[in-house]
Amino acid sequence: LAKTTQPISMDSYEGQEVNITCSHNNIATNDYITWYQQFPSQGPRFIIQGYKTKVTNEVASLFIPADRKSSTLSLPRVSLSDTAVYYCLVGDIQSGRRALTFGSGTRLQVQP
Amino acid sequence: GAVVSQHPSWVICKSGTSVKIECRSLDFQATTMFWYRQFPKQSLMLMATSNEGSKATYEQGVEKDKFLINHASLTLSTLTVTSAHPEDSSFYICSAKRVSSGTYEQYFGPGTRLTVT
Repeated sequence: LAKTTQPISMDSYEGQEVNITCSHNNIATNDYITWYQQFPSQGPRFIIQGYKTKVTNEVASLFIPADRKSSTLSLPRVSLSDTAVYYCLVGDIQSGRRALTFGSGTRLQVQP
Repeated sequence: GAVVSQHPSWVICKSGTSVKIECRSLDFQATTMFWYRQFPKQSLMLMATSNEGSKATYEQGVEKDKFLINHASLTLSTLTVTSAHPEDSSFYICSAKRVSSGTYEQYFGPGTRLTVT
């Protein structure tokens, strides 16, 4: 399983754009990249998922370079409610044989 | 998005007793569900994979006789912590896989806080 590396923590201010980068050097051909958000004492919440290039939805963008050895989650104009832990996961979601495994995550603190 | 529920949301039990946690996929069928455990300030650790109609697959180091998993239907998986001890106190989270456009999306429940006294 591909191992992921993320910064342990990040700080930001309300209204700023936040970019969280994740390294996954040994990502496999069939692996997708998925990001989750987790608040204390809650289950993780799906944010965005992609395979290559750029994916955008109503809450975030995901940038994946051509070599796919890293990915960047971009949160536009963060608010205090975006304070949470963000997990980058890599796995083969087409076969469905394995669960996504979690790395250490990035603790984002948004200040006023 | 897809909804996964867990019951109870929190439970306190005495050491030596057993506790059952339910995980339900409310608006989709899930042939595969997963159980995770999370200790304070730590990441989620996969415990086992629950497959409907077959035995669960446990991760290395997880005692299958202590953490009994039953996936009796396409919408329900249960985790029973048998003979619970204080070190089993943790946040237990289930997730269910849903097929969507040829890929699988993994949705998580809200978690169950278990405290063993």
